[in-house]
Amino acid sequence: GESVGLHLPTLSVQEGDNSIINCAYSNSASDYFIWYKQESGKGPQFIIDIRSNMDKRQGQRVTVLLNKTVKHLSLQIAATQPGDSAVYFCAENIPAGKLIFGQGTELSVKP
Amino acid sequence: ETGVTQTPRHLVMGMTNKKSLKCEQHLGHNAMYWYKQSAKKPLELMFVYSLEERVENNSVPSRFSPECPNSSHLFLHLHTLQPEDSALYLCASSQEPAGTVSGYTFGSGTRLTVV
Repeated sequence: GESVGLHLPTLSVQEGDNSIINCAYSNSASDYFIWYKQESGKGPQFIIDIRSNMDKRQGQRVTVLLNKTVKHLSLQIAATQPGDSAVYFCAENIPAGKLIFGQGTELSVKP
Repeated sequence: ETGVTQTPRHLVMGMTNKKSLKCEQHLGHNAMYWYKQSAKKPLELMFVYSLEERVENNSVPSRFSPECPNSSHLFLHLHTLQPEDSALYLCASSQEPAGTVSGYTFGSGTRLTVV
């Protein structure tokens, strides 16, 4: 069935380094993807999105890359800061018009 | 504050109790959702309301009963829950129709513990 999965459940990086969080999706017809950040005690918050007609989209310190050939999505965080520590989810919009969420990757930033 | 407010933030209830979770959105969205978030699992969609009408129910047990009196308010009524129902319950809203998805806005959730 349709599902979105993340390659690593946890990721630990040094402060100042770049972080890369990966996501695999299974529905080739998905047309829209979103990355969410969930800090402890809070609900998921929108970070960045990308439509299927794009390969790359940049925000402030974040970049999302979409590889439709292998159905892979990644989130890159530049100069990772302690405040970036959180769980990151990807989500895909399937043709039925609903979002399917991945399990999440917990990012830990070491000072 | 994201524009979606959930109350209470924490709830402890016995298996014989009846309680309700409340969600309110101030974004003018026309669709609202209940999700269950358990440890180490993806978000599980429970209910979807679009234009105040329930359009999806992913076979959630009847001990969970949603109510959407208007496009700004959503409730989840709970009764005779089980310990495995302990989780974070998240409310979200969005502007539909499908095909113009711009993401969901989530509340901070209600941490439910069933004892």
